[in-house]
Amino acid sequence: EVQLLESGGGLVQPGGSLRLSCAASGFTFSSYAMSWVRQAPGKGLEWVSVISGSDGNTYYADSVKGRFTISRDNSKNTLHLQMNSLRGEDTAIYYCAKDRHCTSNSCFYDYWGQGTLVTVSS
Amino acid sequence: DIVMTQSPDSLAVSLGERATINCKSRQSVLYSSNNKNYLAWYQQKPGQPPKLLIYWASTRESGVPDRFSGSGSGTDFTLTISSLQAEDVAVYYCQQYYSTPSFGQGTRLEIK
Repeated sequence: EVQLLESGGGLVQPGGSLRLSCAASGFTFSSYAMSWVRQAPGKGLEWVSVISGSDGNTYYADSVKGRFTISRDNSKNTLHLQMNSLRGEDTAIYYCAKDRHCTSNSCFYDYWGQGTLVTVSS
Repeated sequence: DIVMTQSPDSLAVSLGERATINCKSRQSVLYSSNNKNYLAWYQQKPGQPPKLLIYWASTRESGVPDRFSGSGSGTDFTLTISSLQAEDVAVYYCQQYYSTPSFGQGTRLEIK
């Protein structure tokens, strides 16, 4: 059974940093691209970033480029999102998602974690 | 980026009746080399993550009831629930994966 478990969310001040993690199990982690998708409170879904399975290619939404860094540790089946220079508009539930099929930077997602809430506020 | 627009924003349908949700992309998501539409549908129930229902515009994900179906091509797509059940109350999103991923704004489906 595929499981994705996010952690690392919390309350952070504007300009601060936070590192999210996603522990994956139930599939061959290194064989799949993985993404972060976020959802502001009461709003829709917004793609954040994707990392390929083995060669580590990364892509970012323009809204987070230069501030967020996606990475993965295939030896530990773990996905990360380092978030710096956080802003109020980054407040959201952050989901990690397993990618079923990708074309360069664009995928659809067959499994999602339960999400971790990031709140950026003073 | 490809803008995805869903209609309606909300919908109330009686149990057992048909529900139809539309999704329009500002540019075609049909890839000519393989004749596939790069369009997926998700269901999100309150307090839960999204769940994949349909991909390639019309391929039902394993385990999804056959009352859910997807259709359309190019820029216009439809998600149909043939006979609404109480457990189908949710927000539904379309997503294109032809280029940088983008989602529709969501359609809230309720029981009339």
